[in-house]
Order: sequence, then structure tokens, then C-alpha cells
Amino acid sequence: GAVVSQHPSWVICKSGTSVKIECRSLDFQATTMFWYRQFPKQSLMLMATSNEGSKATYEQGVEKDKFLINHASLTLSTLTVTSAHPEDSSFYICSARDLASVDTQYFGPGTRLTVL
Amino acid sequence: AQSVTQLDSQVPVFEEAPVELRCNYSSSVSVYLFWYVQYPNQGLQLLLKYLSGSTLVKGINGFEAEFNKSQTSFHLRKPSVHISDTAEYFCAVSEGAGNMLTFGGGTRLMVKP
Repeated sequence: GAVVSQHPSWVICKSGTSVKIECRSLDFQATTMFWYRQFPKQSLMLMATSNEGSKATYEQGVEKDKFLINHASLTLSTLTVTSAHPEDSSFYICSARDLASVDTQYFGPGTRLTVL
Repeated sequence: AQSVTQLDSQVPVFEEAPVELRCNYSSSVSVYLFWYVQYPNQGLQLLLKYLSGSTLVKGINGFEAEFNKSQTSFHLRKPSVHISDTAEYFCAVSEGAGNMLTFGGGTRLMVKP
């Protein structure tokens, strides 16, 4: 149980294009999902907290117009990197909080974004 | 504000030897504590968590951790490691159920034959 998927797992795009990453909770409902960014050999940095049916809450320093988050249902949140640039290349990981067990976050497998 | 410190960035150890990965935290309130493992190019998998009750917590893959409030520590231990335990380990803390997680810098466990 408590499986979170991400799609795609790896994406390469040209500079200036937009990329959408999906995060799904497969066997539970999640009113809250989190988006993290991880640079090589570094820890996870929280980018934003996504609540179903409302606007996301962004951490300080994260551009909300560049990283668009939509949480349209209890099982799906999307992160769109708009006008991507090489410095946006990173490993993006989402997590979801189970309604039935709010103390624990379950993580997706991550999406590696490479911007050329 | 909460913070987490993992004192060792890398821990090399021989197979079948015991290992301890250290984690210290700071917080002004009661916290929930977690250990996650990350294999290369993968997301995080929950190893174990401390919410309340017994300070010794047992997790998956033979790992355990002990919450020490006076020392504000939550060290992870395994009595005998395997090659397959080679991975990155993250300690994390949250102030209350469902609140954001703050991660430590990670410890790379390298198990050698």
C-alpha cells in the first residue's frame, strides 16, 4: 500500500519549453502533496506544498510563476516547469500524505529533468 | 524553526559489520522523526518513524533507531549490513502530524565486501 507514482521518470527538453510532471497516489487519497527538488549529492529541498482544491504554498525563493502547481483531485498533483532553463535541471520528487495516516509522507520515485 | 544535522556525509563499512548513522535535530516543540533510504535514481522509501511511545523503533530491512530526547538525537543502527544496504540515508523531522518535513543533508552508506 501507499504507493506514489511520478510521470515521466526522465525528461530531456530544450531551453524555453515547458515540462509537466505528474504525481499520483495510487492506492490512497492525499489532500496534501509536496514537491521537492534535489541537486546531485544533496538533500531534498521543499519547493511547495500542494493542497487539493486550493492554491499551492511556495517556499521562500521558489518562483510560483515558474513552477506551476495544480492539485485538481485527491490523487493527482502536477508540477509544470515553465520556460525551462539549464539551471532548472534537477531531480524533482513528490510526496503525498495519506488522509488515513497524516503523520507520514510517501514519496514518488522522482523525475529527472535535463534542460539542454 | 526545526533543523536536522547528519554528522557523517559518508560512512564506509564492511559487509556484516554493524553500523550507526547519526542524526541530531533541533526544535522548540515536540517532533516526529523519520529515516528514509534512497537508492540511486529513485525516490525515498520510509525505513522507520518515531511518533510517540517506545523510544526504540524498529523498521524495515533490519534497521532500528532510538529517540533520545535529552540528546536530541535519532541515530539509525543495523547490527549487520549487507551490500544491498548501500544507499543514501536521510533523517527528517516534522513538528506535528502532517506538517512539512525538514531533511538532514544525508549520509551515504557504502558497504564493502
